Amino acid sequence: QVHLQQSGPGLVKPSQTLSLTCAISGDSVSSNSAGWAWIRQSPSRGLEWLGTTYYKSEWRRNYAPSVRSRITINPDTSKNHFSLQLNSVTPEDTAVYYCARAIGYYTLWGQGTLVTVSS
Amino acid sequence: EIVLTQSPGTLSLSPGEGATLSCRASQILSSSNLAWYQQKPGQAPRLLIYGASGRATGIPDRFSGSGSGTDFTLTISRLEPEDFAVYYCQQYDNSPRTFGQGTKVEI
Repeated sequence: QVHLQQSGPGLVKPSQTLSLTCAISGDSVSSNSAGWAWIRQSPSRGLEWLGTTYYKSEWRRNYAPSVRSRITINPDTSKNHFSLQLNSVTPEDTAVYYCARAIGYYTLWGQGTLVTVSS
Repeated sequence: EIVLTQSPGTLSLSPGEGATLSCRASQILSSSNLAWYQQKPGQAPRLLIYGASGRATGIPDRFSGSGSGTDFTLTISRLEPEDFAVYYCQQYDNSPRTFGQGTKVEI
């Protein structure tokens, strides 16, 4: 059974970098049948896909235009997890962040992490 | 970007009644690349339907999806107490992936 476990700080200061990790059990980050995504949810923006990483001959990444200049999603094959880094955060980045297993749609979600951007 | 518009915003119903939720896309989705999720307070969304009409593993058959092109429907045939939640549609036809704003099904 696949399980996703998120970790990372719940409070980030403005202009700093938001960093979260999603540990995968029961599947592989290098899977050739699934990708691994980050999605966030806030009252003002609803559910917002941020980006996905997947392995297809090489590591590939797709990012949402709204965050493309600030986001990095990286897989870590040694730890079987993937991470999110979002730079230069503002209070508008305050949201619940989810990791998810992606095959176009999202078959499984992490538990969610509320990240507040505040000084 | 494909915009998904869900209606109604809120549906007030009683257990045992049926529910019909709508999701309209701003452009045609090829291959019916649309999914539905259920979200309860404090929980992550849960996949219900993919490919417009395929039920995800473990989803009761009172949940069904239909539609093609730009118009899609999630039907709950007989509401159980645990079905009162917010429902979202999501398209995976194009990037960026997008979600509807949600329909709340309340008692």
